[in-house]
Amino acid sequence: DIQMTQSPFSLSASVGDRLTITCRVSQNIRTYLNWYQQKPGKAPRLLIYAASHLQSGVPSRFSGSGSGTDFTLTISFLQPEDFATYYCQQTFNTLWAFGQGTKVEVK
Amino acid sequence: EVQLLESGGGLVQPGGSLRLSCVASGFTFSDYAMSWVRQAPGKGPEWVSAISRSGDSTYYIGSVKGRFVISRDNSKNTLYLQMSSLSADDTAVYYCAKDPIYGGRFDDWGQGTLVTVSS
Repeated sequence: DIQMTQSPFSLSASVGDRLTITCRVSQNIRTYLNWYQQKPGKAPRLLIYAASHLQSGVPSRFSGSGSGTDFTLTISFLQPEDFATYYCQQTFNTLWAFGQGTKVEVK
Repeated sequence: EVQLLESGGGLVQPGGSLRLSCVASGFTFSDYAMSWVRQAPGKGPEWVSAISRSGDSTYYIGSVKGRFVISRDNSKNTLYLQMSSLSADDTAVYYCAKDPIYGGRFDDWGQGTLVTVSS
């Protein structure tokens, strides 16, 4: 099975900060990686697909990069509505597993 | 506006069965693959099962193979998940999700339905 490790597990940030969340994968998955945002009590929301493609309707302050085994999600100017948990997801094989999540909290 | 409305969750005893439904609207249901994704309390999402646009192809995570069956009725814009031999490990919120590529890209989700397996 492909193992996925997100870091950090959680972080504290302020409005206006630039954040980077990392997802490391145990084998080469090329760019078969998506990023989701989830707020408490809500379903996940697709932000980035195929490592770097911004989903329609998602603000441009979100960006994704990486290929192979190392990927990053960047939020360039954190907004109040961005405090949430973020998950990476590999789609290289049909197990389509999610990472363990990174919780972004208010500092 | 895309809407996915799950139903059928509830409390079930270990070993029991349950059938979840997801009614879709706001898009052409038969143009999209669909999946069920679950999330246990305090845990991250876990993809469970997927079905192709026509229903002729399905995938399952290993832990539910032989116990869960995904199906769809394109004439009713409805996705189903028949679950049997349920255990406490199946306790979760179950979401249906729309997938434009049948490749695990979930671009719209329902609000979820809670399944609790307990005696």
